[in-house]
Amino acid sequence: GAGVSQTPSNKVTEKGKYVELRCDPISGHTALYWYRQSLGQGPEFLIYFQGTGAADDSGLPNDRFFAVRPEGSVSTLKIQRTERGDSAMYLCASSSGGYTQYFGPGTRLTVL
Amino acid sequence: QKEVEQDPGPLSVPEGAIVSLNCTYSNSAFQYFMWYRQYSRKGPELLMYTYSSGNKEDGRFTAQVDKSSKYISLFIRDSQPSDSATYLCAMSLFTGNQFYFGTGTSLTVIP
Repeated sequence: GAGVSQTPSNKVTEKGKYVELRCDPISGHTALYWYRQSLGQGPEFLIYFQGTGAADDSGLPNDRFFAVRPEGSVSTLKIQRTERGDSAMYLCASSSGGYTQYFGPGTRLTVL
Repeated sequence: QKEVEQDPGPLSVPEGAIVSLNCTYSNSAFQYFMWYRQYSRKGPELLMYTYSSGNKEDGRFTAQVDKSSKYISLFIRDSQPSDSATYLCAMSLFTGNQFYFGTGTSLTVIP
């Protein structure tokens, strides 16, 4: 079946702009995660949704970052007033509730 | 100290070699242990997962967990050039919990 999809695959923006990154999880998966991966590093947790609610947002670095999942399926990660340090690969993963997470291909964000 | 430590390599081996990849961790409460493979500029792909201590085998891959030493390993037998990728270990406290990743080990298998 279809895996996790993320759009866009690449996003280039200018410092100070607003961006939205989209994640479509595997159908039926109730849990959805966002991670950020910098070059040469492992993914770092940002936020976890169970259904429509954010069950754990402790990884969001500051209030410029926000994520929603209004209908319990698609999620959008929103970054306001982007900074050059936000440049990274943003990964989305979904899970059926077990302990395995299935990752999407990621969105590579570049802030100029 | 990071929660999960992993030697970034790079590791280069000839085709057919046995590869050993390792991670150590500091939080004894971790219960679930995963290995992911990540090709350049792609998302991580789940390879193996284990619960608590013990061994698990899947084809050419064997995962080992030693909770007493807080040490996990992934062995790749008869390595192939297509195994060339970055290997990430990950672990979690309970189901639904976030994953804590190592930095990844870059592996190249030379034909």
